[in-house]
Amino acid sequence: AQSVSQHNHHVILSEAASLELGCNYSYGGTVNLFWYVQYPGQHLQLLLKYFSGDPLVKGIKGFEAEFIKSKFSFNLRKPSVQWSDTAEYFCAVRGYNQGGKLIFGQGTELSVKP
Amino acid sequence: GAVVSQHPSWVICKSGTSVKIECRSLDFQATTMFWYRQFPKQSLMLMATSNEGSKATYEQGVEKDKFLINHASLTLSTLTVTSAHPEDSSFYICSAGGASTDTQYFGPGTRLTVL
Repeated sequence: AQSVSQHNHHVILSEAASLELGCNYSYGGTVNLFWYVQYPGQHLQLLLKYFSGDPLVKGIKGFEAEFIKSKFSFNLRKPSVQWSDTAEYFCAVRGYNQGGKLIFGQGTELSVKP
Repeated sequence: GAVVSQHPSWVICKSGTSVKIECRSLDFQATTMFWYRQFPKQSLMLMATSNEGSKATYEQGVEKDKFLINHASLTLSTLTVTSAHPEDSSFYICSAGGASTDTQYFGPGTRLTVL
């Protein structure tokens, strides 16, 4: 069965600090990988996705993620966070030929201090 | 970008009543929609996959007779929580899209409170 693990439950950073959120998945086949963000009181928005090709993908708002197949990881990074990045971040995996189902990680709450 | 709406955004009901939640794709056709449940400070748990014109596929542990899903058109899926109980109180989120090369777009969610 597919599963997704996010290592950090709650991360607290000061503005301008660098961010890296861990995500590991368990699935034996080809996967598509996603990071979603949920700002307080808002719906999930797609930050970035990886389907194939360059394992380093860039998303919106300066975020990027790197797919390392050998480590089953898809960590999210941002060189310099802003207060407005305060939100919940979810990593998700979709197995190929799994009917489009997304399996989400537990989520990481990011709090950025001004 | 694609827009998915949900109605209502919040609902309060008495125990034992049924509640219907609508999910609409506003600017695209969605043959597949998904229903998730999110508890406070927790992740999204997939409840079921809604396929236009056919029966929904439920995840293990989800009672199909309690959570009725209908996907009557390419832009509308409904989730009906039947005989709701306080433990059904949660945040229900739908998404649309999901083909092998598509991205899922999420609705804003519906907060259900069962008294």
